[in-house]
Amino acid sequence: NAGVTQTPKFQVLKTGQSMTLQCAQDMNHEYMSWYRQDPGMGLRLIHYSVGAGITDQGEVPNGYNVSRSTTEDFPLRLLSAAPSQTSVYFCASSYSADSGNTIYFGEGSWLTVV
Amino acid sequence: KQEVTQIPAALSVPEGENLVLNCSFTDSAIYNLQWFRQDPGKGLTSLLLIQSSQREQTSGRLNASLDKSSGRSTLYIAASQPGDSATYLCAIPQGGSEKLVFGKGTKLTVNP
Repeated sequence: NAGVTQTPKFQVLKTGQSMTLQCAQDMNHEYMSWYRQDPGMGLRLIHYSVGAGITDQGEVPNGYNVSRSTTEDFPLRLLSAAPSQTSVYFCASSYSADSGNTIYFGEGSWLTVV
Repeated sequence: KQEVTQIPAALSVPEGENLVLNCSFTDSAIYNLQWFRQDPGKGLTSLLLIQSSQREQTSGRLNASLDKSSGRSTLYIAASQPGDSATYLCAIPQGGSEKLVFGKGTKLTVNP
């Protein structure tokens, strides 16, 4: 099993550009989520999904869009990149949306918006 | 709203020392608490998960305790090694979901 795979690892964008961060898991997990990690702020939840076809907003959803067409994939779209979106992004998955399962994280995607 | 605090932000110890990392939270009505490890440039790895009904969990040299009434959890690392150097984060789910609220972490350095 590859676990949680994120691509790309590094990306530089210009302000106003759009892009998609890819996330895939091969563990048949129902629950997937995206976090961003910023110095001094810790990890904050952007969007999450409790299963295919179901998504919801987390703490900091503005400027991001998600979809969950399959169990395996949960892409994060930046609609019009802004310097404030410079961050490290982590995708995570777990067996179900019920609390108490081991959560698996991807290796992260470093995004710089100039 | 649940708030999670980890103090200190950084800790440096000599190899072999036993140490304690602290995590405090404001809402004691929690389902569980998880401790994670993050190596530089890497994702998070789950270390221990303590259910609200438990007082502690152990894995190898790691022991995590939970005191809901005081809003505190500790991660005890025995006989620290340089390979333990990493950032340690604690996280608590919002309600009964997997939506986690994270502390900002304690960066641990174990010096040979």
